[in-house]
Amino acid sequence: ETGVTQTPRHLVMGMTNKKSLKCEQHLGHNAMYWYKQSAKKPLELMFVYNFKEQTENNSVPSRFSPECPNSSHLFLHLHTLQPEDSALYLCASSQAGTGVFRGGYGYTFGSGTRLTVV
Amino acid sequence: KQEVTQIPAALSVPEGENLVLNCSFTDSAIYNLQWFRQDPGKGLTSLLLIQSSQREQTSGRLNASLDKSSGRSTLYIAASQPGDSATYLCAMYSGGGADGLTFGKGTHLIIQP
Repeated sequence: ETGVTQTPRHLVMGMTNKKSLKCEQHLGHNAMYWYKQSAKKPLELMFVYNFKEQTENNSVPSRFSPECPNSSHLFLHLHTLQPEDSALYLCASSQAGTGVFRGGYGYTFGSGTRLTVV
Repeated sequence: KQEVTQIPAALSVPEGENLVLNCSFTDSAIYNLQWFRQDPGKGLTSLLLIQSSQREQTSGRLNASLDKSSGRSTLYIAASQPGDSATYLCAMYSGGGADGLTFGKGTHLIIQP
């Protein structure tokens, strides 16, 4: 399998549930990301992992908890979510470069998990 | 803080037309800019990546340009087809403390058969 794979594709959970989203990349990239996409809003960066260490969380509520056990896998653990957390959650990966390619070689996104909180 | 604006927000044109999608950004200190397409309910598919040292990139019927000094990028689609219908997003990497991409809200494109 190639690219960035996210599971599950769809998830419906109650506000008291605990669930996890999974992301796996097969590209040998050294950074992984979680983004949230809500209707009528630009994609919002939630978490960044470079070399397995979290570098930014952009003030995301603590009910979202990321985990990056290795450079190929990324999880987003969810607990006591609110209905407004319903959105498309996208995982991405990238490879940092050097010199004129300091910005890297572009991002690859997964197909996303459509989360509905009821 | 980088802000990205995409104009128009929505566009509907007949099949076969050439069209231009616009993206503007407030901070010209970017490392690269990437155009994506997103089909309804799906993830993002990368179309073109332009490094800050480049002025344009081409792939098939798509051509993207970058003018850092004016803070603008355009995506040109030649001979549009119904299969081009999607939302087109531009995003840029500015480095510094923000390691992720900054996105615009996108242009929703419909190509009429």
